[in-house]
Amino acid sequence: GNSVTQMEGPVTLSEEAFLTINCTYTATGYPSLFWYVQYPGEGLQLLLKATKADDKGSNKGFEATYRKETTSFHLEKGSVQVSDSAVYFCALSENTGGFKTIFGAGTRLFVKA
Amino acid sequence: SAVISQKPSRDICQRGTSLTIQCQVDSQVTMMFWYRQQPGQSLTLIATANQGSEATYESGFVIDKFPISRPNLTFSTLTVSNMSPEDSSIYLCSVSGTTYNEQFFGPGTRLTVL
Repeated sequence: GNSVTQMEGPVTLSEEAFLTINCTYTATGYPSLFWYVQYPGEGLQLLLKATKADDKGSNKGFEATYRKETTSFHLEKGSVQVSDSAVYFCALSENTGGFKTIFGAGTRLFVKA
Repeated sequence: SAVISQKPSRDICQRGTSLTIQCQVDSQVTMMFWYRQQPGQSLTLIATANQGSEATYESGFVIDKFPISRPNLTFSTLTVSNMSPEDSSIYLCSVSGTTYNEQFFGPGTRLTVL
């Protein structure tokens, strides 16, 4: 079945450091891929998405490129801020009799000032 | 994007009791979902709430334990029945965007069962 695997956390960075959170997936068809972010005490928010191969999703300085050949959707940001401290979830959605979304385990990011 | 509210935001309940969580959306939506997020864990889909018909439950979740209502296109409830400490989790309501791809989440209900 479909699944999402993302790197374990926590990830601890200093402010202005470069961020990469790895995400790979398995899917039977052509899923849409997402990154969601969960700030402390809040629900999940959509951060960015890509719906087909080679698409690049971007938002708030974060980027991720849909790589079909490596089944990956790694999240990157060139310069993190303390306010980026949160849990990041990679996810996929595929219409297989219902638009279910499958989430990765989540990666907690701590950014130090 | 849809604006979703949930009530209550948190509750502390006794073992053996039941709690009903409400989810209200500011626009009509076709698909609504209920998730459970156990402490420090990812999200697990409980069920899809269908308007006008019974909810569709995922493996490991049953209607007797998690009855769901969906009386219209903007509202749903999830009941956690006969609670035990293992039910302590955050329960999240979500809706699909118009493309049925992205999801929008409510703020969650943090449940603690003693």
